[in-house]
Amino acid sequence: QVQLVESGGGVVQPGTSLRLSCVASGFTFSHYGFHWVRQAPGRGLEWVAIIRPDESNKYYEDSVKGRFTISRDNSKNTLYLQMNSLRTEDTAVYYCARDGPNWNLDYWGQGTLVTVTS
Amino acid sequence: QSALTQPPSVSGSPGQSVAISCTGTSSDVGSYNRVSWYQQPPGTAPKLMIHEVSNRPSGVPDRFSGSKSGNTASLTITGLQAEDESDYYCSSYTSSDTWVFGGGTKLTVL
Repeated sequence: QVQLVESGGGVVQPGTSLRLSCVASGFTFSHYGFHWVRQAPGRGLEWVAIIRPDESNKYYEDSVKGRFTISRDNSKNTLYLQMNSLRTEDTAVYYCARDGPNWNLDYWGQGTLVTVTS
Repeated sequence: QSALTQPPSVSGSPGQSVAISCTGTSSDVGSYNRVSWYQQPPGTAPKLMIHEVSNRPSGVPDRFSGSKSGNTASLTITGLQAEDESDYYCSSYTSSDTWVFGGGTKLTVL
């Protein structure tokens, strides 16, 4: 069955960096695009970024442009989110999600918590 | 990239029907039939309930339905059950090749 497992979250100080990973299984990783979506404590979902299957196109939410980079390693079935210059407002649970064939996010991981605090 | 607008909360009694609205703009909901809905019980990951405005993935009960008119999409749940109590989010593809979510609606089954 389809599984997405995030890791890499933790507690960091403002201005520092963190890299999240999402390992996929149960399907052909290289055939799909992937999203990162975050959810601040007690708040709603916020879309962060998408990467296409061949890495040809990447798009970002305005507040993370220039600070976050989405990437993938198809040989390792792994999606990444490199987060630089972290801010307190980046504190959230970060979910990876598969870009489904029907313009949706059809499978989600369980999330990894990133806390940015001084 | 402003969030889509959803009511913060809705409620209904078991067996009743409720509708949750999701209002966007001509750059997202109004221009594409690429609206989806997600159910998120507390402390869990979201689950896809509706895609492309009105299509249900396999396994989603037919009590859940979706529609769209202009810049507003709607999720309707008929025959409410206690297990439907959850947070619900809409999402849309946008003209900037990005996605946007609604602020979320808490459904309470009375």
